[in-house]
Amino acid sequence: DTGVSQDPRHKITKRGQNVTFRCDPISEHNRLYWYRQTLGQGPEFLTYFQNEAQLEKSRLLSDRFSAERPKGSFSTLEIQRTEQGDSAMYLCASSLAVGLRTQYFGPGTRLLVL
Amino acid sequence: DQQVKQNSPSLSVQEGRISILNCDYTNSMFDYFLWYKKYPAEGPTFLISISSIKDKNEDGRFTVFLNKSAKHLSLHIVPSQPGDSAVYFCAASGGLSSGNTPLVFGKGTRLSVIA
Repeated sequence: DTGVSQDPRHKITKRGQNVTFRCDPISEHNRLYWYRQTLGQGPEFLTYFQNEAQLEKSRLLSDRFSAERPKGSFSTLEIQRTEQGDSAMYLCASSLAVGLRTQYFGPGTRLLVL
Repeated sequence: DQQVKQNSPSLSVQEGRISILNCDYTNSMFDYFLWYKKYPAEGPTFLISISSIKDKNEDGRFTVFLNKSAKHLSLHIVPSQPGDSAVYFCAASGGLSSGNTPLVFGKGTRLSVIA
């Protein structure tokens, strides 16, 4: 296990369609985070999990967004009825819950909504 | 309300010289700070971090300085190399009682190292 992986790396969709992204964290990490980055901005927090429990959701996360981590390993982020404003880089990160506090990021999924 | 600010959008430095990237924060609950480097179309790569109980942390060419009273931190890269050209993000985490909390990022500084 060499790091956080995300799939797909790129996604182009039409407005109104649903999309789902997957994140596989570093195996021993029990915390998993989702962030979104738009052009000229730093990553912004969306939601995070400790094992399978979703601990916090940002107000940026509208009702069209849902995230799961059913077995405490990989996570999925689904966007329903996509809008052009959803176009961004979606980043996943993982870390330990305590101890070393560094979060390690995956390569991201770039979403373009036409 | 931006809690982490990187006021310089860009910085150009000659190869071999020192690069100094600055970051200011407003939330006194932040107690752990990180610097990430990002290339286009890739995720952020962790560089170096510092806990609020320290005022300096060094790792090879990278040193981070923390001034808690000024709520300011800086990243020094010495000597700068062309491969250091990237966008650098400052990030902060806070609240020891809640463990490893989500990060709050600045907007980034684009560093260009000129050969």
